[in-house]
Amino acid sequence: GQSLEQPSEVTAVEGAIVQINCTYQTSGFYGLSWYQQHDGGAPTFLSYNGLDGLEETGRFSSFLSRSDSYGYLLLQELQMKDSASYFCARPTDSWGKLQFGAGTQVVVTP
Amino acid sequence: NAGVTQTPKFQVLKTGQSMTLQCAQDMNHNSMYWYRQDPGMGLRLIYYSASEGTTDKGEVPNGYNVSRLNKREFSLRLESAAPSQTSVYFCASSEGQATDTQYFGPGTRLTVL
Repeated sequence: GQSLEQPSEVTAVEGAIVQINCTYQTSGFYGLSWYQQHDGGAPTFLSYNGLDGLEETGRFSSFLSRSDSYGYLLLQELQMKDSASYFCARPTDSWGKLQFGAGTQVVVTP
Repeated sequence: NAGVTQTPKFQVLKTGQSMTLQCAQDMNHNSMYWYRQDPGMGLRLIYYSASEGTTDKGEVPNGYNVSRLNKREFSLRLESAAPSQTSVYFCASSEGQATDTQYFGPGTRLTVL
């Protein structure tokens, strides 16, 4: 089964803020990444946290707490184009093999 | 730069048929990966190649073989397709470290009847 847990779906209105949580198992931790995938498209990289704290990239931020085995992706000022699936992923070795969560579908409504 | 390209985009096979999915990258990346994506399951790693000439199993390797033909190309072969292999297959590449971004191809949508 998945060792990264995230909610299956989140719905919010345009302009709102959404937080997607991800909890993981701690063996061999090499950081936590986030990827976005629009319907029918390829996953694209959003952010990576190797250390505790907040990483900000425009409207998106990602946070990591290694002591809590927990991270989140924060989507601010939601836009319709943000409707997509968001995956947390963790490298399982130093060579970059990724293990993905099942994904959170974000639905943005007018 | 084309990034990561995959062929074909769509394929329908009958049970027992074989086929090879092709993947190429033009970013001079060391590592390449094959994932499958099923509804509600996220992406699962099938095989990866840390460098030219090396390959290793991922989470779900059964029923698949791979070849790292050169630094650019990494192919995935289904020797005897089964309905359970109906999925979307993504190829990805990266510099090869845990902190590096993975760049994904557009995917191949495979249906096995």
